[in-house]
Amino acid sequence: EAGVAQSPRYKIIEKRQSVAFWCNPISGHATLYWYQQILGQGPKLLIQFQNNGVVDDSQLPKDRFSAERLKGVDSTLKIQPAKLEDSAVYLCASSQQGRNQPQHFGDGTRLSIL
Amino acid sequence: GDSVTQMEGPVTLSEEACLTINCTYTATGYPSLFWYVQYPGEGLQLLLKATKADDKGSNKGFEATYRKETTSFHLEKGSVQVSDSAVYFCALFNNAGNMLTFGGGTRLMVKP
Repeated sequence: EAGVAQSPRYKIIEKRQSVAFWCNPISGHATLYWYQQILGQGPKLLIQFQNNGVVDDSQLPKDRFSAERLKGVDSTLKIQPAKLEDSAVYLCASSQQGRNQPQHFGDGTRLSIL
Repeated sequence: GDSVTQMEGPVTLSEEACLTINCTYTATGYPSLFWYVQYPGEGLQLLLKATKADDKGSNKGFEATYRKETTSFHLEKGSVQVSDSAVYFCALFNNAGNMLTFGGGTRLMVKP
């Protein structure tokens, strides 16, 4: 089975620019997650989708971050405008629907803000 | 709210040494507990899990037992290999089973 695909792997931008990340979950996985992992820390959940609906976005900085999953499959996460503190690895994960289903992670996008 | 605390690293061991990485948690209800491993440049991989008290998760020689009385889920391995060098994350699923909370991670370095 193909894993969670993310692109790009690396991105370098200047502060105040915009950036977008893409995620393709494992086929059939209804739940999709975006995490932010700052260097030396554990991943922090930004947003969780169930099909194309948002389940939890309480940790998403909505003044600059947005995410969508229009057709309930692929998802994009956008940052506009970027700040220095947004430098991190952005991880996408997916799982089957239901309680306590294990999450499968992509390799992440490493974002560096100059 | 829910939280997970892990021992700080890095943990440096020689090959074939015994490993213990401590993990304690705070949560309401009965969370499920997980260990994830992250190799350099890669995403997180599920290593093992336990869904109720006294359950033991095991995989690739690693073990962890869900101890509700001490709210702990320590990761152990009897003999580590160089290939085990990675960052290990302890995590819990909240009572509703829809949100994963991670600890800060512990870097393990195994020397030949």
